[in-house]
Amino acid sequence: ETGVTQSPTHLIKTRGQQVTLRCSSQSGHNTVSWYQQALGQGPQFIFQYYREEENGRGNFPPRFSGLQFPNYSSELNVNALELDDSALYLCASSSSLAYEQYFGPGTRLTVT
Amino acid sequence: AQSVAQPEDQVNVAEGNPLTVKCTYSVSGNPYLFWYVQYPNRGLQFLLKYITGDNLVKGSYGFEAEFNKSQTSFHLKKPSALVSDSALYFCAVRDMDSNYQLIWGAGTKLIIKP
Repeated sequence: ETGVTQSPTHLIKTRGQQVTLRCSSQSGHNTVSWYQQALGQGPQFIFQYYREEENGRGNFPPRFSGLQFPNYSSELNVNALELDDSALYLCASSSSLAYEQYFGPGTRLTVT
Repeated sequence: AQSVAQPEDQVNVAEGNPLTVKCTYSVSGNPYLFWYVQYPNRGLQFLLKYITGDNLVKGSYGFEAEFNKSQTSFHLKKPSALVSDSALYFCAVRDMDSNYQLIWGAGTKLIIKP
């Protein structure tokens, strides 16, 4: 059973640029959630996708958007990057029949 | 609104001693509670969950947690701490009113001293 994977591991972008982060969910999982974790803080929920539809969103602006594909992999897109977007971005997958989420290793985004 | 509180930023325990990491919650309905652990520069690893049933839940790496409805607590415990248990621990509650998103505590840094 393959776990959750994310790419890239690290990324450095300039303010105003756009970025796409990718996530492959664990086998058999149809739900993907994205989180932002700033240094020294707990994860903040960005949004969740279930069967290719967004079905939950946290307090993030529209420049944070996402997609889920038929194979349940997912992308997080962030437009017009700001310095405060620098963080660890975590993807988690889960089965609709279970409640725990399984996390990938994260993508460390640095905006300069 | 649902919320989770971890009242201790840091917990220090000597190796071999029992450890407790505290978590309290506030939910409108029945709580779905979770503990995760995060090692430096790593993602979060699921430890255990409480959905229903026995108040004492056993999880990975010898950890367990006790659900106490009257005190709205879900403290993480381990009978004998290992140096390798040193990490950041997060408690989370599932928000059943908001598409099942997880609401997270701020985390507790656990330091086990040899």
